[in-house]
Amino acid sequence: NAGVTQTPKFQVLKTGQSMTLQCAQDMNHEYMSWYRQDPGMGLRLIHYSVGAGITDQGEVPNGYNVSRSTTEDFPLRLLSAAPSQTSVYFCASSALENYGYTFGSGTRLTVV
Amino acid sequence: LAKTTQPISMDSYEGQEVNITCSHNNIATNDYITWYQQFPSQGPRFIIQGYKTKVTNEVASLFIPADRKSSTLSLPRVSLSDTAVYYCLVGRNTGRRALTFGSGTRLQVQP
Repeated sequence: NAGVTQTPKFQVLKTGQSMTLQCAQDMNHEYMSWYRQDPGMGLRLIHYSVGAGITDQGEVPNGYNVSRSTTEDFPLRLLSAAPSQTSVYFCASSALENYGYTFGSGTRLTVV
Repeated sequence: LAKTTQPISMDSYEGQEVNITCSHNNIATNDYITWYQQFPSQGPRFIIQGYKTKVTNEVASLFIPADRKSSTLSLPRVSLSDTAVYYCLVGRNTGRRALTFGSGTRLQVQP
């Protein structure tokens, strides 16, 4: 049972490049979310999904796209990377609407 | 979004009980209160969740008064390995009250 798997663990991008952060969970969880955490700060919600085919915006969605074609996968796309998107990105999943999340180990992204 | 207020930092010694209080005055009827622990360079880890009164598990206890406008996470007999940031969240996993994290409480446990 791998839990929540995020790839890559580290990534350096040039301004304007695009990329996809991968997130996969093997717990058959319906609820999945993407957060970003800037140095010394709490986590901010980017996008979330309540099931395959259903996504919605969180607190800081600009510059990011998501899709949920399967229950297991919830990729996060950076459309045109900017230095302000330098952060650690966490993916999380939960079985129920009112239950705690299981988090991945994060992707550390640097945009230069 | 539900707002929470918790102390920025706390210090304790090994073996002591630590209580971290979180204020959430605008909690909604359907909101749950959830606490997470985060170590450096790791994702947050779920500790405990409650709706009202008291909840206890093998790691911590959560005390919620009747008005639910605050909650207290209690860590019994802390050790050095409990040094971490603790986040209090109010809401649900979806919708307008999707969970948002504040800045958390940085707990430092000394020998």
